[in-house]
Amino acid sequence: EIVLTQSPGTLSLSQGERVTLSCRASQTLDSSWLAWYQQKPGQGPRLLIYGTSSRATGIPDRFSGSGSGTDFTLTISRLEPEDFAVYYCHHRVTFGQGTRLAIK
Amino acid sequence: EVQLVESGGGLVQPGGSLRLSCEVSGFMFSNYWMTWVRQAPGKGLEWVAQVNPDGSETHYVDSTRGRFTVSRDNTKNSLYLQMSSLRGGDTAIYYCARDFGWATLDYWGQGTLVTVSS
Repeated sequence: EIVLTQSPGTLSLSQGERVTLSCRASQTLDSSWLAWYQQKPGQGPRLLIYGTSSRATGIPDRFSGSGSGTDFTLTISRLEPEDFAVYYCHHRVTFGQGTRLAIK
Repeated sequence: EVQLVESGGGLVQPGGSLRLSCEVSGFMFSNYWMTWVRQAPGKGLEWVAQVNPDGSETHYVDSTRGRFTVSRDNTKNSLYLQMSSLRGGDTAIYYCARDFGWATLDYWGQGTLVTVSS
């Protein structure tokens, strides 16, 4: 069973900053199956990135994904107020535990 | 516009049963795998079950296998999750989601809350 470990658990940042979120797998992944989601309070998750690096429809280009093997990242180049949320990586039937972006 | 609307959640006693529904619109439902994902209060996401486009193939997380049954009615554009022998650990918001390929979930509903408690 694959385990996805996201780090850090919580990040406190300011608007305009650049942030990189990490997702580490317990074994090598097929990068076609690696996705990232954003979730805000009271809402269902929203797909941001699929296939490791492809942006979903309507996702701003400040969001980017990369990685291979066991290490994957989601980068937000300049944080906007609406980006403060929880982010999950996902591979097939496994989700990471999430990283919360909080406003400093 | 793609929409997924879950219903059927509520309060149920341990050992009880509940049937969740997810009605979809805005896309050709019969072409897609569909997935249920749940989220316990204040916790992360947990993949629960999925069904293939014609309903002939299903998969479950180990903790629900034998207790939950996922099904669909393509004539009604609806997905279902029949839950039985419910436990406190099943308390969660249950989301239905469309799988557009490679197990990637591109559209989600707003969720329905299931509370298992006496």
